[in-house]
Amino acid sequence: NAGVTQTPKFRVLKTGQSMTLLCAQDMNHEYMYWYRQDPGMGLRLIHYSVGEGTTAKGEVPDGYNVSRLKKQNFLLGLESAAPSQTSVYFCASTLRGYSYEQYFGPGTRLTVT
Amino acid sequence: DAKTTQPTSMDCAEGRAANLPCNHSTISGNEYVYWYRQIHSQGPQYIIHGLKNNETNEMASLIITEDRKSSTLILPHATLRDTAVYYCIAPAKGSSNTGKLIFGQGTTLQVKP
Repeated sequence: NAGVTQTPKFRVLKTGQSMTLLCAQDMNHEYMYWYRQDPGMGLRLIHYSVGEGTTAKGEVPDGYNVSRLKKQNFLLGLESAAPSQTSVYFCASTLRGYSYEQYFGPGTRLTVT
Repeated sequence: DAKTTQPTSMDCAEGRAANLPCNHSTISGNEYVYWYRQIHSQGPQYIIHGLKNNETNEMASLIITEDRKSSTLILPHATLRDTAVYYCIAPAKGSSNTGKLIFGQGTTLQVKP
C-alpha cells in the first residue's frame, strides 16, 4: 500500500499561470480532503469530497477548484495562481466521515512568484 | 465550531513523560477530541482520539476531564523523534458525515537530550 501520494512534490509558478495538483490513495477511502498550510500556521481546509463525483467547499476555497472523477483521485486546480497561494498543500483521505483517522500525503510545496 | 486552546510550545527531557494540555470548553457532549502530530514538514499523523473515557494506545495516552472541558495527551517516555507540532482537534460543526477537522496552531514540543 502506497497510502496517499501527491504529485508533484515541488513546483514554482509565475503569477497567472495554472496548474493541477494530483492526490491519489489506494485504500479505497470514500472521503478526501485538500488542505493548505502557511508558514507557522495550522492546516486550513480548502475543499473536500465525500465520494466519487462529489465536492464541497471548505474554509478557504477561493481561487481553487477540485474534481473527483475517480474514487482514488482528488485533483486540486489553480486557474490563475497568485503569490498568496504560496503554501504547502496536503491531501488526506479517510474511510468514512465519522472515521477518526485521516491519512495524509507528504505534501506539495508550491511557490508563486 | 468547537475551538481548542493549546500552549504554543513546550520542552521535555528525553526519556521523561511529555504532558500536552488542551482546553476545549465549547465541545459538545457527543464530539470526540482528536490528537494529531506533524513532524517537521511532513503530513500530519493521527495519534489518538477520545470522547469521555481515558484512552491509551501504542503511541500515547489521552486523559479527558470529567466535565470534558480539557484533556491531556501523554507521551510516556518521550524520545527525540517525538519532537513535533501536536494538534488537539475538535471536529467542525455538523461534521459527523463529512469528517472535517479544524486544525489550530498546535503545541510545538521540543524533546531535549
